[in-house]
Amino acid sequence: KAGVTQTPRYLIKTRGQQVTLSCSPISGHRSVSWYQQTPGQGLQFLFEYFSETQRNKGNFPGRFSGRQFSNSRSEMNVSTLELGDSALYLCASSQSPPQETQYFGPGTRLLVL
Amino acid sequence: KQEVTQIPAALSVPEGENLVLNCSFTDSAIYNLQWFRQDPGKGLTSLLLIQSSQREQTSGRLNASLDKSSGRSTLYIAASQPGDSATYLCAVSGATNKLIFGTGTLLAVQP
Repeated sequence: KAGVTQTPRYLIKTRGQQVTLSCSPISGHRSVSWYQQTPGQGLQFLFEYFSETQRNKGNFPGRFSGRQFSNSRSEMNVSTLELGDSALYLCASSQSPPQETQYFGPGTRLLVL
Repeated sequence: KQEVTQIPAALSVPEGENLVLNCSFTDSAIYNLQWFRQDPGKGLTSLLLIQSSQREQTSGRLNASLDKSSGRSTLYIAASQPGDSATYLCAVSGATNKLIFGTGTLLAVQP
């Protein structure tokens, strides 16, 4: 089976712009979670989608949003980018959370100038 | 609020040595604990998953144990190799699928 894929792998944006990141889970996985990784804060949970519904949300401002499609692919959107949004954004997929292993994609490296 | 701590923050060992990485968590009401490795600039690779009802899991040279009552897990790496050099992260999940991560242990295995 193919692993979790994320596109694009790298992005450079300027403050005030918006960005959309995409995640394709492992075939058959219905749960997709998003995480932000920064040197200062480590790995922080953004949100989780399961069967097109947001089930859990982390402590991030409303500028961070997401959605999931019927094929389980997920997108994450960040509006009005700030310098502090520069990070590695990782998505993870799993079959039947929370008992199952979560598999991570390679991440999207976002740099905000 | 669940907090996860990993000790040591960094570790350097000669090739061939056996080593132990530690992970502790403050709330014992977890569903499972997962160990990951992360190579520089890359995503996370799942190593082992331990369900809350289990005591340990093994995969090749890796063995992870879980003591839920004391809020501790250890990752044992036998006969370390330079290819084991990476950051090792532990994460716990509760009733939701949200993973709470530790800050990681940066491991360097010297040839």
